[in-house]
Amino acid sequence: DAGVTQSPTHLIKTRGQQVTLRCSPKSGHDTVSWYQQALGQGPQFIFQYYEEEERQRGNFPDRFSGHQFPNYSSELNVNALLLGDSALYLCASSGGGSESYTDTQYFGPGTRLTVL
Amino acid sequence: GNSVTQMEGPVTLSEEAFLTINCTYTATGYPSLFWYVQYPGEGLQLLLKATKADDKGSNKGFEATYRKETTSFHLEKGSVQVSDSAVYFCALTEGYSSASKIIFGSGTRLSIRP
Repeated sequence: DAGVTQSPTHLIKTRGQQVTLRCSPKSGHDTVSWYQQALGQGPQFIFQYYEEEERQRGNFPDRFSGHQFPNYSSELNVNALLLGDSALYLCASSGGGSESYTDTQYFGPGTRLTVL
Repeated sequence: GNSVTQMEGPVTLSEEAFLTINCTYTATGYPSLFWYVQYPGEGLQLLLKATKADDKGSNKGFEATYRKETTSFHLEKGSVQVSDSAVYFCALTEGYSSASKIIFGSGTRLSIRP
């Protein structure tokens, strides 16, 4: 049973460019959350997707957007990249069936984004 | 708003030493509390959790007790190993469902000397 997977592993972009990160949730999970982890910091909640809609959002600008597909996989898009967007982007999955009433989230290995 | 404060690192100990990493929280309602661990080059792994006051979470020799009166969730281990070297994050969720977002502390880096 595959856990949460993310692609790509590493990415290098320049300021002003756009980037798309991808996440496949753990089998059976229907909820995907995205977090940004700056170097030396704890992860910060970006947003969460459920039933192909954004269910809740953290304190991030509109440059950060997402999407969830019918198979529950998800994308995180960041437009007009800034140097400060350099971070590890983590995807977490949860919910679905008997796990809908548990608050445990399972994290993927992350995508390391570097903005030059 | 809700927040988590944990002791700053890095923490360096010798193998077989006793470990305590302090964590306190601020929250309305009844949050669930967690410790996550991040090994070098890897994503976050759930280490243990507690969902109500006086619950004790435990895993791999680590323990933490949910103390509502002191709003704390300190992580302890009686005898650390070199393989425990990692970054540890205290965290809480603001609800009890898969819809809950996680609020993390800033992390404590732990290094164990052989």
